[in-house]
Amino acid sequence: NAGVTQTPKFQVLKTGQSMTLQCAQDMNHNSMYWYRQDPGMGLRLIYYSASEGTTDKGEVPNGYNVSRLNKREFSLRLESAAPSQTSVYFCASSGGTVSSYEQYFGPGTRLTVT
Amino acid sequence: AQSVTQLGSHVSVSEGALVLLRCNYSSSVPPYLFWYVQYPNQGLQLLLKYTSAATLVKGINGFEAEFKKSETSFHLTKPSAHMSDAAEYFCAVTVGSGTYKYIFGTGTRLKVLA
Repeated sequence: NAGVTQTPKFQVLKTGQSMTLQCAQDMNHNSMYWYRQDPGMGLRLIYYSASEGTTDKGEVPNGYNVSRLNKREFSLRLESAAPSQTSVYFCASSGGTVSSYEQYFGPGTRLTVT
Repeated sequence: AQSVTQLGSHVSVSEGALVLLRCNYSSSVPPYLFWYVQYPNQGLQLLLKYTSAATLVKGINGFEAEFKKSETSFHLTKPSAHMSDAAEYFCAVTVGSGTYKYIFGTGTRLKVLA
């Protein structure tokens, strides 16, 4: 099992450009999450999907959109990138049941917006 | 509202010394608590979790944590630090009841001195 995979690993964008970060999991998990990690701020939840067909805003959703394409895939889109979106982005998944709260993380995407 | 506080953004210990990383939480409902470790340029890996069973929880790599409700704490310890323990450690708490979202602390970077 690959676990949680993310593409791309690195990306440089110019202000105003758009891009989509891809995430896929092969653990048959119900719930998926997008976080951003900034120095000294820990991980902050951008959007999450509790189950296929549902998405909800997290703590810092402004400037982002998401799509839960199917049970396996959850993408994050930046429509018009801004320098404040320079960050490391992590996708995670969890079983979404009482017995499986723990989240499993992908390797991250390091995004720089100039 | 739930919150997580990690005291000390940087902690240094000598190899072989006790590791103690502090985590305090605030929650209006019984929480589930987690410790994750992040090695440089990698995603987060689950170290251990508290899900209302035993209050002393053992995890991977010799780490353990004790849930103390009276102190609203979930400190991470390891009796003897190893050079390979150098990493960033994050405490997380579930948000609300019946939800699988987390709030993360801001992280503690552990340095192990030879």
